Amino acid sequence: AQSVAQPEDQVNVAEGNPLTVKCTYSVSGNPYLFWYVQYPNRGLQFLLKYITGDNLVKGSYGFEAEFNKSQTSFHLKKPSALVSDSALYFCAVRDRRAGGFKTIFGAGTRLFVKA
Amino acid sequence: DTGVSQDPRHKITKRGQNVTFRCDPISEHNRLYWYRQTLGQGPEFLTYFQNEAQLEKSRLLSDRFSAERPKGSFSTLEIQRTEQGDSAMYLCASSLAGLASANEQYFGPGTRLTVT
Repeated sequence: AQSVAQPEDQVNVAEGNPLTVKCTYSVSGNPYLFWYVQYPNRGLQFLLKYITGDNLVKGSYGFEAEFNKSQTSFHLKKPSALVSDSALYFCAVRDRRAGGFKTIFGAGTRLFVKA
Repeated sequence: DTGVSQDPRHKITKRGQNVTFRCDPISEHNRLYWYRQTLGQGPEFLTYFQNEAQLEKSRLLSDRFSAERPKGSFSTLEIQRTEQGDSAMYLCASSLAGLASANEQYFGPGTRLTVT
């Protein structure tokens, strides 16, 4: 069965410092991996995805994520956090086998960036 | 606005009543998804459409739930005989065709259902 774990309910970072939001996954096949962000009173927005190729994926708003197959992880990172990055972040996985359109989301990690 | 829209944004209903939600996807997207999100959790997959065909349903989708996408454009999600446990945010998302499994989804703002 597919699953996604985001081990931290909340991550606190000072503005200007690097941030990491952790995600590990479990799928029976090879995964497509996604990060979405949810700002207050707004719908989920796509940040970035891993399909194949380079393990370091760059996305919107300066975010990037590193796919690590051996550790089954897809941690979200940003070199310098902004107060405006404060939001709820969701990691998601989809099995790339034919017909696998079901996306499994993690429980979310709330990022709080302090000025 | 050309994003995914959902109507209504909020719905309060009494236990036992039926409710229907509507989702209008991005016009060129032929894939449409419904999710349910409760407080402190990520979205849970409910069902998926490719054009008008419902191709996948979650075990979460009990017999009281039904979804349609009659013309391959907008979709409706109906909950019959609502229960307090149905209270949640119901999210709709759409995506492009092509390498479909890899395509990211675009989410609507959601419909918040409260069953009293």
